[in-house]
Amino acid sequence: GDSVTQMEGPVTLSEEAFLTINCTYTATGYPSLFWYVQYPGEGLQLLLKATKADDKGSNKGFEATYRKETTSFHLEKGSVQVSDSAVYFCALRTNNDMRFGAGTRLTVKP
Amino acid sequence: GAVVSQHPSWVICKSGTSVKIECRSLDFQATTMFWYRQFPKQSLMLMATSNEGSKATYEQGVEKDKFLINHASLTLSTLTVTSAHPEDSSFYICSAGSRGAYSNQPQHFGDGTRLSIL
Repeated sequence: GDSVTQMEGPVTLSEEAFLTINCTYTATGYPSLFWYVQYPGEGLQLLLKATKADDKGSNKGFEATYRKETTSFHLEKGSVQVSDSAVYFCALRTNNDMRFGAGTRLTVKP
Repeated sequence: GAVVSQHPSWVICKSGTSVKIECRSLDFQATTMFWYRQFPKQSLMLMATSNEGSKATYEQGVEKDKFLINHASLTLSTLTVTSAHPEDSSFYICSAGSRGAYSNQPQHFGDGTRLSIL
């Protein structure tokens, strides 16, 4: 079945460091791919998305490119801030199903 | 943007009580709603998918008689935890979206319901 494998955390970085959170997927169809973020005590929020191969989603300095050849959707940010501390979930969606990765907890220290 | 309202946000009740959680899409028609459960420090686990006007599809291992899902309208789905016990204590999250041809659209999530069974 469809699945998402996400880099295990936790990840701890200093402010202004470069961030990469790896995400790979397995799907029978042509899924859309998403990154969601969950800040402490809050629900999930959509961070960015990509709907087809080679699409790049971007938001708030975060980027991820839909790589069909490597079935990946890695999340990157060039310079993280303390306010980026949260749990990040990679997800895929096919026509009527949605799957999430296990989540990666990011802590950014000043 | 689209908003999904989930209510209540926090429930504390005695063992044996049935608890109903509502998920409403406020400004769009949600043909599909998903119900998830999140254990502490773990990922979301899909419990069931509900399509408006039809029976919910439950994931393997989820008791459909325990977790009753109703999706009677395009704006409301409910999850009822029947005869809840302490092991049902968890964080429950709903999401809403459109199915089929609109699968490239993201899901919109409620803020979740924290259920604590004493």
